Amino acid sequence: QVQMVESGGGVVQPGTSLRLSCVASGFTFSNHGLHWVRQAPGGGLEWVALTTPAGSYIHYADSVKGRFTISADNSKNTLYLQMNSLRSEDTAVYYCAKESESFDIWGQGTMVTVSS
Amino acid sequence: QAGLAQPPSVSKDLRQTATLTCTGNSNNVGNQGAAWLQQHRGHPPKLLSYRNNNRASGISERFSASRSGNTASLTISGLQPEDEADYYCSAWDSSLSAWVFGGGTKLTVL
Repeated sequence: QVQMVESGGGVVQPGTSLRLSCVASGFTFSNHGLHWVRQAPGGGLEWVALTTPAGSYIHYADSVKGRFTISADNSKNTLYLQMNSLRSEDTAVYYCAKESESFDIWGQGTMVTVSS
Repeated sequence: QAGLAQPPSVSKDLRQTATLTCTGNSNNVGNQGAAWLQQHRGHPPKLLSYRNNNRASGISERFSASRSGNTASLTISGLQPEDEADYYCSAWDSSLSAWVFGGGTKLTVL
């Protein structure tokens, strides 16, 4: 069964850091582009970051560039998102997604709340 | 990063046909095509189609996608109650080197 499971969300104060994880199963992890996409409460989808197999191709949305880092550990089938200098506007459900032509497999999401 | 333009809401009667639109530019929709995703409240998005008219695995033939220039469209025929959801388009933007999403269209089935 192909699935992706996120973890690591929580409530944090502005300016602090958090690391999200996404464990994948049921497919060859290292063969696909992997993304983080977020959705603010009541809002739409916002693409956050992308990494391709072997990390050869990494891109970020302007809104997180310089603060967030995407990485993958192929030996653990795990995707990460290191989030630093968090802001209130980063509050959202964070989804990981696998790319095969497009975002074909999504996790259930993990909620990140940035609040003082 | 500029997103794709979608109407905020569309309402149609049961068993009718709804067509949702998504307008971008020559760097995204007009170049790479668009994907469509469906999201029911409280659930993650689900891929419906990719690169304009390729239906994703397991998706009903009632869903069909197309593109004309910089505008992509999703047509849902024979509307059912379970089709009531938010629909998003997305595309790779070659000038931004980023994926962009539309703001989403809330489809109401009356």
